[in-house]
Amino acid sequence: EVQMVESGGGLVQPGGSLRLSCAASGFTFSNYDMSWVRQAPGKGLEWVSTITGGGGSSYYADSVKGRFTISRDNSKNTLYLQMSSLRVEDTALYYCARKYYPFDYWGQGALVTVSS
Amino acid sequence: EIVMTQSPATLSVSPGERATLSCRASQSVSSNLAWYQQKPGQAPRLLIYGASTRATGIPATFSGSGSGTEFTLTISSLQSEDFAVYYCQQYNKWPLTFGGGTKVEIK
Repeated sequence: EVQMVESGGGLVQPGGSLRLSCAASGFTFSNYDMSWVRQAPGKGLEWVSTITGGGGSSYYADSVKGRFTISRDNSKNTLYLQMSSLRVEDTALYYCARKYYPFDYWGQGALVTVSS
Repeated sequence: EIVMTQSPATLSVSPGERATLSCRASQSVSSNLAWYQQKPGQAPRLLIYGASTRATGIPATFSGSGSGTEFTLTISSLQSEDFAVYYCQQYNKWPLTFGGGTKVEIK
């Protein structure tokens, strides 16, 4: 069974940093591109970032470019999102998702709250 | 950036009736269009990809159509479990973009 479990969310002050993790199981992790998608409270879905299966290429939404870094450790079947210079508007539930063409499996999300 | 526009924002439908949801892209996305269903407190679930291919386990009551810039998701006979928010997403071009969603509510 395909499963992704996010962790690392929490409350952080504006300008702070946080790293999210997504532990994947039930499929050959290295064979799949992986993505982060976020959802602000009561709002719609926003794609954040995607990394290719081997980790050689990554893509970012303009809203996070230069502040967020996506990475993966295929030996640990884990996806990461390093978030820095966090803003109030980054407050959201962050989902880990497999692929992007389309996003075929989703985790349950990790809540990130940016507030002073 | 390709802007995805969904209509209507809210659709009130009686159980057993048909629901038709629309999604328009600001430029052609070919058939690189997916639909997702999201229920309160849950992660989105993939329903349709390639504009018209049902994902694994999705019942035939869900169907997708369209190509280019105009797309439709049809739910042929609404069941209680189908009342949710539906999103379209294009994966033809970076950045990937979602529509704002259509909430299907009980009439």
